[in-house]
Amino acid sequence: IAGITQAPTSQILAAGRRMTLRCTQDMRHNAMYWYRQDLGLGLRLIHYSNTAGTTGKGEVPDGYSVSRANTDDFPLTLASAVPSQTSVYFCASSDSLGTDTQYFGPGTRLTVL
Amino acid sequence: KNEVEQSPQNLTAQEGEFITINCSYSVGISALHWLQQHPGGGIVSLFMLSSGKKKHGRLIATINIQEKHSSLHITASHPRDSAVYICAVPNYGGSQGNLIFGKGTKLSVKP
Repeated sequence: IAGITQAPTSQILAAGRRMTLRCTQDMRHNAMYWYRQDLGLGLRLIHYSNTAGTTGKGEVPDGYSVSRANTDDFPLTLASAVPSQTSVYFCASSDSLGTDTQYFGPGTRLTVL
Repeated sequence: KNEVEQSPQNLTAQEGEFITINCSYSVGISALHWLQQHPGGGIVSLFMLSSGKKKHGRLIATINIQEKHSSLHITASHPRDSAVYICAVPNYGGSQGNLIFGKGTKLSVKP
């Protein structure tokens, strides 16, 4: 693994289904983030983690949950997907929370029907 | 909470032209980021700057902390510079909180 990876690359999901987007980094970064990107709205923060074992809510957390069991992994779960969660999801990491340079994963394109 | 405005939203240029993209924010900050999103969707960080100017190849970023304004310049533009350029600042000013992102400037450089 080099940098930050996400899986799946894309997914079509029926409304009401549960879905977990995976994110893994090998840079030993303390902070990790999940963003969604929608046309005309730019990147918006869903959840973040300052360090393993801690998480926090971002700008648009409703309908999403995260966990940070270790430094490398930061999965994002949609418990019961709705069509408004159709978006492109980016995971990112940085050495520390806040203003450090962030490194982005390639994104997951999710469509909820 | 900080607010970020970028201009222009869209920009078309001929190869070789000098490009300027602007970013303004409402709350004083300690550092501002410029990012590039490729047509394929990948996002890379270009600059993080807290004062003055930074240069990397044909890209130059400047910031005026007092005026709460930053510019990204591209000299001798090339079609491969076509991308969306995004600025980002700390959400609560200074170095507090997570980053908040502008909506981006879509640049298209024609050969």
